[in-house]
Amino acid sequence: SYVLTQPPSVSVAPGQTARITCGGNNIGSKSVHWYQQKPGQAPVLVVYDDSDRPSGIPERFSGSNSGNTATLTISRVEAGDEADYYCQVWDSSSDHLVVFGGGTKLTVL
Amino acid sequence: QVQLVQSGAEVKKPGASVKVSCKASGYTFTGYYMHWVRQAPGQGLEWMGRINPNSGGTNYAQKFQGRVTMTRDTSISTAYMELSRLRSDDTAVYYCARGPLMGLRPLDYWGQGTLVTVSS
Repeated sequence: SYVLTQPPSVSVAPGQTARITCGGNNIGSKSVHWYQQKPGQAPVLVVYDDSDRPSGIPERFSGSNSGNTATLTISRVEAGDEADYYCQVWDSSSDHLVVFGGGTKLTVL
Repeated sequence: QVQLVQSGAEVKKPGASVKVSCKASGYTFTGYYMHWVRQAPGQGLEWMGRINPNSGGTNYAQKFQGRVTMTRDTSISTAYMELSRLRSDDTAVYYCARGPLMGLRPLDYWGQGTLVTVSS
């Protein structure tokens, strides 16, 4: 089945830009979705279809996808952005229709 | 507003079964798939399967085939996930999440999660 690879952790100072990558074979041909999960809470969708934002998600959250890497970018990082982030794609070629990356812990220094 | 409200925490012994419910409101229940995703302590998200509330049709991840059963009751807009022959490594938070009937859109709304603890 399709595999998504994320770095286990990313650290950034407040006010800086965080970039979280999601690697997969020719992932640029797929739609990538990103979820934010804070401790003890359910995941929340922050970016869908590579770069669109649901209503209520700040413009500081953006996404891109090309080649073998999708990227979630968080600009002007705030303490409240500290969370785990997961990328997700659909893989209709296997029984595992929904595939998640392993998750990236974003630490705000 | 869309809400998915799950049943409360469960403690089960190895070999037993657990059934988790997910009550939907704020949208047409039969208009979206319901997915189930679990998360073991300190681990990532793991997709288990989905049910089409309209037809009752299901798709399960191979890992759970034979142990998981997803059902629904459209009269009360509720989906269920039953996992049998529980093992200690089934200890996890189980989430329901709404997904599209067509296309490759995301899982846009999630339940609050149900902790299932498997312990002798």
